[in-house]
Amino acid sequence: EPEVTQTPSHQVTQMGQEVILRCVPISNHLYFYWYRQILGQKVEFLVSFYNNEISEKSEIFDDQFSVERPDGSNFTLKIRSTKLEDSAMYFCASRRNNQPQHFGDGTRLSIL
Amino acid sequence: RKEVEQDPGPFNVPEGATVAFNCTYSNSASQSFFWYRQDCRKEPKLLMSVYSSGNEDGRFTAQLNRASQYISLLIRDSKLSDSATYLCVVNSAGQGGKLIFGQGTELSVKP
Repeated sequence: EPEVTQTPSHQVTQMGQEVILRCVPISNHLYFYWYRQILGQKVEFLVSFYNNEISEKSEIFDDQFSVERPDGSNFTLKIRSTKLEDSAMYFCASRRNNQPQHFGDGTRLSIL
Repeated sequence: RKEVEQDPGPFNVPEGATVAFNCTYSNSASQSFFWYRQDCRKEPKLLMSVYSSGNEDGRFTAQLNRASQYISLLIRDSKLSDSATYLCVVNSAGQGGKLIFGQGTELSVKP
């Protein structure tokens, strides 16, 4: 069964550094998402992406965040200047039209 | 009011028990409803979609009451492998199709 894949599985970064989280959505999916989950808290929506543009973003997704689909297979989340409070699990998800979202196994981001 | 609210849990039950989870949502324009399962520090995995007529998948039964904005999940004959956190998830009415998650209800099935 096709899967959403994410790399790296764990990223440790110094506060203030840039980080890029990578995702390869399922190949025939058209809608892409990033979510995060701070330890012990619920899963929170960050951004949705369709037709090469952001369709919706949350209040969390401020100017420090950006997304790209550079080549038709990868979908990346960049955090420009990381803060301690960015430490979380970051999940990528994708879906086809009118189908449920499928999640990757996440990247654990630890900011020191 | 929280957008999606679930029983706080945890639920500790013996093998073979029947357990029910409840969930309410605040946005009456919500379009799609799901139960996801999350094992410790893993990704959410789709358990089942929830339809207005109610639907069943083996030991799992989901119900939706749009008038009350209420969703439920029933697990019959629970197994040790059912131990996980169960997430009530609502697809928002917006164009992007974002999912709104409840905080989850932890289930622990004991021998």
